[in-house]
Amino acid sequence: NAGVTQTPKFRILKIGQSMTLQCAQDMNHNYMYWYRQDPGMGLKLIYYSVGAGITDKGEVPNGYNVSRSTTEDFPLRLELAAPSQTSVYFCASSQPGQFSGANVLTFGAGSRLTVL
Amino acid sequence: DQQVKQNSPSLSVQEGRISILNCDYTNSMFDYFLWYKKYPAEGPTFLISISSIKDKNEDGRFTVFLNKSAKHLSLHIVPSQPGDSAVYFCAASEVNYGGSQGNLIFGKGTKLSVKP
Repeated sequence: NAGVTQTPKFRILKIGQSMTLQCAQDMNHNYMYWYRQDPGMGLKLIYYSVGAGITDKGEVPNGYNVSRSTTEDFPLRLELAAPSQTSVYFCASSQPGQFSGANVLTFGAGSRLTVL
Repeated sequence: DQQVKQNSPSLSVQEGRISILNCDYTNSMFDYFLWYKKYPAEGPTFLISISSIKDKNEDGRFTVFLNKSAKHLSLHIVPSQPGDSAVYFCAASEVNYGGSQGNLIFGKGTKLSVKP
């Protein structure tokens, strides 16, 4: 089982460039999420999706866009990259009700982005 | 305004002893609490969860205790092993299904080092 796959693992961007972080899951989960983690900080939610065609903003959405055309894929687009977007980005998915109790997220390995 | 707080950035414990990681929260609407473990260059992995109707949940060497009146939870690892060395994140949500109230809010994490 691949779980949640993120590409690329590492990327260096110049200020003002754009790029897309790819995320795919093979668990048929309805819910998908993008988080960012800055050094010494917790994970902050950027965007989330409750199903194909439905996306919504999280805590820190500015400078990012997402789309969800299929259940499997949830790409994160950075337009006009800025140094403040230097971070590690984690994609996750979940299927509420799969575990008794909490909404348990399965995370990808992360994408480390540096903007210079 | 941090809703989930892990006030100890790091903790060092001897192998075989108990590790106690603490987490406080401010939102009284939180009903589900999770602990994640994260190794370097990997995504967070789910460890254990608890809902507000319980005050304790146990899974092998890991036990989570919840004190709702104090808005405090703790993760106990007994006995601690060197392989437990990782960053531990506390997370909380209001509901256990998807959508804005089901999104996880994370603390900043506590780095646990277990010395042989």
